[in-house]
Parts: sequence; structure tokens; C-alpha cells
Amino acid sequence: AQSVTQPDIHITVSEGASLELRCNYSYGATPYLFWYVQSPGQGLQLLLKYFSGDTLVQGIKGFEAEFKRSQSSFNLRKPSVHWSDAAEYFCAVGGDGNKLVFGAGTILRVKS
Amino acid sequence: GAGVSQTPSNKVTEKGKYVELRCDPISGHTALYWYRQSLGQGPEFLIYFQGTGAADDSGLPNDRFFAVRPEGSVSTLKIQRTERGDSAVYLCASSLIRNTGELFFGEGSRLTVL
Repeated sequence: AQSVTQPDIHITVSEGASLELRCNYSYGATPYLFWYVQSPGQGLQLLLKYFSGDTLVQGIKGFEAEFKRSQSSFNLRKPSVHWSDAAEYFCAVGGDGNKLVFGAGTILRVKS
Repeated sequence: GAGVSQTPSNKVTEKGKYVELRCDPISGHTALYWYRQSLGQGPEFLIYFQGTGAADDSGLPNDRFFAVRPEGSVSTLKIQRTERGDSAVYLCASSLIRNTGELFFGEGSRLTVL
């Protein structure tokens, strides 16, 4: 069965510092992987996705993620965090892009 | 507004009552999804429509839950004989092209069953 684990429930970083959010998945075949962000009062928004090819994918808002098959991971990174990045981040896996399985989310707090 | 619209944004009901939640997808999006998000959890898949038909309803928890999309646009999620455990945020999403994973989500309908 597909599953996604986001080990960190909360993360706090200083504005301007780098960020890495962890995501591990379990999937029987080549997965489709996604990161979504949920800000208060807004719907989930797609940050980036991996289907195949280059394992380092670039997304919106300066985010990137790296697919590592050997570690079953798809960690999200950003070199310099802005206060507006404070939100909840969800990693998701899907075989056909439709029936996504989401992790429990990581709440990012940014301190000034 | 060009986004996915969900109504009501908040619904409080009593145990045993019937509830309908509406989703108006982005115009032209043929695929529509319902997810449920419980407190402290990620969204959980309920059902997926391609056009008017339910292509995958394997996530519906039991037969008290039903969803329709009669004209291939607006969808309604129907919950009969609500239980306290049904309390959650119900999310609707739509997408233009199947199999891309790029879902456009609404803000959700928060259901509270007392």
C-alpha cells in the first residue's frame, strides 16, 4: 500500500535561513511525487512534482526537491526562507496522479 | 473568481442529520476530486470524477457517503445520518488534464457534527 511519512510535525527556521522538509514514501512502482503548500484561508497549492527524468525538480516560490530512489525520499528544500513561507507543507505520492496519498504535513514557522 | 469554489465554508449539524456539500470546479476542468482532511492529518482521497461518472470511489468510507456530478461540472458530496466522526474539512479539487497530479484545490467545507 502507498504511504507517505513526514517525520517532522513542526519546524521553525529563522528568516533567511535554509530549509529542508523531509518526506519518505512507500510505493511499489515508480512513484509520482508532489509537494503541496497550504496557507491559512487558502486551498492547497502545488509547489512541484516529480514524474520522471531529472531527480532534482524546481518548483514555484524558489522551492526545489530531490528524488532519491535508494532512500525512498523526496525532500523539499529552499536556500533562504521568507516570512511568507510560513504554512503547512504536504508531501504526496500517486501512481497515476489522481488518487494521491498525502503525508500528515509539516507546519513551518518562520521567526524574524 | 477563477478558482475552485466550495459551499458552505462551514457547516454545523447534529448527529443523524443529512448534509450536502457543493463544489464548483474551475471552468473547463473535466476531472474533479473529493478529499477529506481530519485535524492534524493530510487530505485523504474519497472519490474522483472524470466528466459525469465516478471513475474511482474507493475512498468513500461507507454507504452513508455519496457524490454526484450530473452535468460534468458542479459536484455535490452527500452524507446521510451524519456521525461525530464525519467532522472534518472536505476538500474539492479539479484538474484540466488527467494524470498530472496538478490538482487545484478549493478552500474546503468544514463540517462539524455535534
